[in-house]
Amino acid sequence: GAVVSQHPSWVICKSGTSVKIECRSLDFQATTMFWYRQFPKQSLMLMATSNEGSKATYEQGVEKDKFLINHASLTLSTLTVTSAHPEDSSFYICSARSRLLGRGYTFGSGTRLTVV
Amino acid sequence: KNQVEQSPQSLIILEGKNCTLQCNYTVSPFSNLRWYKQDTGRGPVSLTIMTFSENTKSNGRYTATLDADTKQSSLHITASQLSDSASYICVVSRDSNDMRFGAGTRLTVKP
Repeated sequence: GAVVSQHPSWVICKSGTSVKIECRSLDFQATTMFWYRQFPKQSLMLMATSNEGSKATYEQGVEKDKFLINHASLTLSTLTVTSAHPEDSSFYICSARSRLLGRGYTFGSGTRLTVV
Repeated sequence: KNQVEQSPQSLIILEGKNCTLQCNYTVSPFSNLRWYKQDTGRGPVSLTIMTFSENTKSNGRYTATLDADTKQSSLHITASQLSDSASYICVVSRDSNDMRFGAGTRLTVKP
């Protein structure tokens, strides 16, 4: 149980375009979802925390107008990278948590974004 | 300064050998500590989770220990396999939404 599906697994886009990444909890209701980015050989850096039905809470230094997060349902959260630039190229990972699962967090498989 | 320090940064061992990874933390208050395995280009997968009162927890060939007094944890891998090659990340939580990540230990198992 507790499976999180993240899509796409990789994407290449042109500078200036927008990219949407989806994170779905397949067999549980995710009351809270987290979005991270990870640069090569570095650990995960939390970008934002979102609770279903409310606005996301962004970490300091993360532009909320650039990284749009929508958590419209208990099983789906999306991260949209708007007007992407090459420096946005990174590995983006989501994780989901359910109060019913207690302390458990489940991570998605990640999305490799390359902006050219 | 990171509140979760892992060592070594990287480690190379031969297949079949054992190894121990370390995690020291200063995170307070403490809720729980998790070890994750992250294969290259994939999301982290949970190995163990321990609360304040738990000293050791095993998951197959992985055994995690926790000393909440000294704020230290270790992950011991026995009889390593080539598939154990990955990054191992220590994550300490203050509460349900506040997780502090270590930088990880990159383990390479060679034949």
